Parts: sequence; C-alpha cells; structure tokens
Amino acid sequence: DAGITQSPRHKVTETGTPVTLRCHQTENHRYMYWYRQDPGHGLRLIHYSYGVKDTDKGEVSDGYSVSRSKTEDFLLTLESATSSQTSVYFCAISGRQGAQETQYFGPGTRLLVL
Amino acid sequence: QKEVEQNSGPLSVPEGAIASLNCTYSDRGSQSFFWYRQYSGKSPELIMFIYSNGDKEDGRFTAQLNKASQYVSLLIRDSQPSDSATYLCAVNPGGGSNYKLTFGKGTLLTVNP
Repeated sequence: DAGITQSPRHKVTETGTPVTLRCHQTENHRYMYWYRQDPGHGLRLIHYSYGVKDTDKGEVSDGYSVSRSKTEDFLLTLESATSSQTSVYFCAISGRQGAQETQYFGPGTRLLVL
Repeated sequence: QKEVEQNSGPLSVPEGAIASLNCTYSDRGSQSFFWYRQYSGKSPELIMFIYSNGDKEDGRFTAQLNKASQYVSLLIRDSQPSDSATYLCAVNPGGGSNYKLTFGKGTLLTVNP
C-alpha cells in the first residue's frame, strides 16, 4: 500500500453531520490527493496538496474542505454531509518510480450518509 | 474538459487468451499514461506507465501508445482468472499539472476458466 493508511475504513453517518477522513503516509511525499469513486463516474479528484498548508481544488470540490498541517497527514472534511457524498474515498500520494512520477493509492474509506 | 474514454465492458475472454483494453484521451498535450488494476472492493494498483510512442512490455503486460491517434492500450497475454478486475486508464496532462491524473471510468475484464 506504499505506506498509506486511511481512517476510518468504514463510516455511517447522518445527513447534516460533519465528517473528517484522515490519510496518513510514511513516505514523506510532497503531493497528496483525495478522490471519490462512484459507479458510472470513475475516480474523480476532490482536492490535492502540494505541501504543508498548500492545497488546491479538484473537479468535485464543492462541499469538501481539506487541511494539511504536517507532511504525513492530509485531512478531508465534509462540513455537513449529504446523501450525495455517499461514496468510496481514496487517498493517494505521488511517488517516483524510476524517472516517472505516479500515484499510489491508500486502501479507501467507505462512507454512507443516511 | 479533458476526457479519458474507456469501453466499460464487460470484456470477457477465455483463460490463456489475449485481452486487449483500450483508452482514448482528448488532450493532445498529454505526456504520460498509466494503467491501474482494481479488484472489486480494493484500491487501484499501478500496473504500468508509458510516455513514449510504441510498446512497453512487462511480463505478460504490454502497454501501447500512439500519441498521434491519442490512443493507449493494454494487452494482457495468457490471461488468467486472477486478471479478472477493472482496469483504469489514467492520463497526466502535463504542463503545469504534472502531478495530477485524469482517470477513465474503467473496463471490467472477466477471464473465464
């Protein structure tokens, strides 16, 4: 798993409640990413980070915020969860394989918003 | 909108056959291309990447890239039931976003014993 862990691995929550997902890496990589994966949509980038306190939006960032106070941790927060945010969330880090930079994924978090 | 297109499948092949998975992309400036395999309920894992026109081989896997046609493919020789998974094509648009990938929706491959 390229030294990436995600917590929690499964979560059930209610509409309107805040939810925070954590991604932790042991690889000291600069770039970290949050994706969501839904049937019919594939993997879509929510937010990414290119360093401590440096983050930017992806294609589906509405309703999500992120924070990165340490190199190893990247947090994804749903301020007020909605049923449309029921999904599988993957964290990824960007690492180098030879001369090529590529992405490696964590195990995922399954989130159900009731 | 930069797009990556894959046939959703399912693609069904008999054991021992060659499986051919295809991907097209819209951004002509794209620089590198990746194939990920994802088993049901698991996270994507990198199989191969390619950034030069032509073929790149790794064991039973061959990636093929044709930038003029904006087309990348993955061939799996001697397909095994354990190859049954969803295969994701991903494209690095390059330029100022060297570390971002755009993913296709994936092709489901089933290898029948």
